Amino acid sequence: GDSVTQMEGPVTLSEEAFLTINCTYTATGYPSLFWYVQYPGEGLQLLLKATKADDKGSNKGFEATYRKETTSFHLEKGSVQVSDSAVYFCALSDWYGGATNKLIFGTGTLLAVQP
Amino acid sequence: GAVVSQHPSRVICKSGTSVKIECRSLDFQATTMFWYRQFPKQSLMLMATSNEGSKATYEQGVEKDKFLINHASLTLSTLTVTSAHPEDSSFYICSASQGGAGEKLFFGSGTQLSVL
Repeated sequence: GDSVTQMEGPVTLSEEAFLTINCTYTATGYPSLFWYVQYPGEGLQLLLKATKADDKGSNKGFEATYRKETTSFHLEKGSVQVSDSAVYFCALSDWYGGATNKLIFGTGTLLAVQP
Repeated sequence: GAVVSQHPSRVICKSGTSVKIECRSLDFQATTMFWYRQFPKQSLMLMATSNEGSKATYEQGVEKDKFLINHASLTLSTLTVTSAHPEDSSFYICSASQGGAGEKLFFGSGTQLSVL
């Protein structure tokens, strides 16, 4: 079945460092891909998305490109801030049986940014 | 953005008791709500999909009689863990849909259940 694999954390970086969180997927169809972020004590929030191959999603300085050839959707940011400390979830959405559109998540990666 | 409120955020209970978790969409009507659980270092796993006014659709391997889901209104869904056991200890999170997946899914902050 469909699945998402993302790098284990925690990832600890200094402020202004470059961030990459790897995410790869397996899917039978043509899924949409998402990154969600969960700040401490809050619900998951959509960070960015891409709906087809070669699309680049971007938001708040974060970017991820839908790479069909490598089945990847790696999250990047050029210069992280302390306020980016959170758990990041990679997810895919596909149609199942033509009736349900649901999300498949990765394990989440904790990012800790130190001043 | 839309807000989903989930309560309680943390609950500790004795083995054999039942625990109810509430998920409310505060500023929109959610025709569909989803319940997930997450074990440490594992993925968020979808447990069930509930549509207002109808029975929930459970994922394979999820016990319907253990995890009772009620979606009685367009703003409230509840998950009741019946006769809880230590192996039910997990992080449970709900989401509410305005229609479609991904960009129109809004999540609660989760409930950490610990069964002693």
